[in-house]
Amino acid sequence: DSGVTQTPKHLITATGQRVTLRCSPRSGDLSVYWYQQSLDQGLQFLIQYYNGEERAKGNILERFSAQQFPDLHSELNLSSLELGDSALYFCASSVIGLAGSTDTQYFGPGTRLTVL
Amino acid sequence: QKEVEQDPGPLSVPEGAIVSLNCTYSNSAFQYFMWYRQYSRKGPELLMYTYSSGNKEDGRFTAQVDKSSKYISLFIRDSQPSDSATYLCAMRAKTTTDSWGKLQFGAGTQVVVTP
Repeated sequence: DSGVTQTPKHLITATGQRVTLRCSPRSGDLSVYWYQQSLDQGLQFLIQYYNGEERAKGNILERFSAQQFPDLHSELNLSSLELGDSALYFCASSVIGLAGSTDTQYFGPGTRLTVL
Repeated sequence: QKEVEQDPGPLSVPEGAIVSLNCTYSNSAFQYFMWYRQYSRKGPELLMYTYSSGNKEDGRFTAQVDKSSKYISLFIRDSQPSDSATYLCAMRAKTTTDSWGKLQFGAGTQVVVTP
């Protein structure tokens, strides 16, 4: 158990809908990262938040957004869902995750999203 | 060309054999190297983390980094059926302005250890 929790474990929804995925980082970790894992694309970095602020952006679609709250939990919002958005979504956390830090990331169990 | 190349396998070995996994990379800015193990439909689990060239050992696992060749390896000694999983290499730059924590992953190698 990495200490990172994610809810829900599974989500089934229809095209065009909007969903919210939730992540709680390990105790003491300030950075949260979101990743998407699909069969054809592998594990892709989406976005990083550090202590409530966006710090790095990867291949995140404009239909997707995220935020990190004062209690450090994070939510990933996916809207106007398409069939191709079906994937595993992982959250990871690290103590700092900023330039010069040597810490690394610990992953949660993931949310499996199925868009029908 | 991908920044991180990793043979997807599958790699099948008999129980007790040494598993040898590797990744190559093209970005010389990568300074931190990790190996994660991922069981089917589970979250990646950190196995090894190193940020210097050379070898690092932890139990049955040895991670090797050769920055001059841009090549990293993971060796698993005395492999067990419970080691059957997908192994992902990951790496990141020391300092960048736009991706301080961004990890670049390999495609993952599926390993099957047969009893």
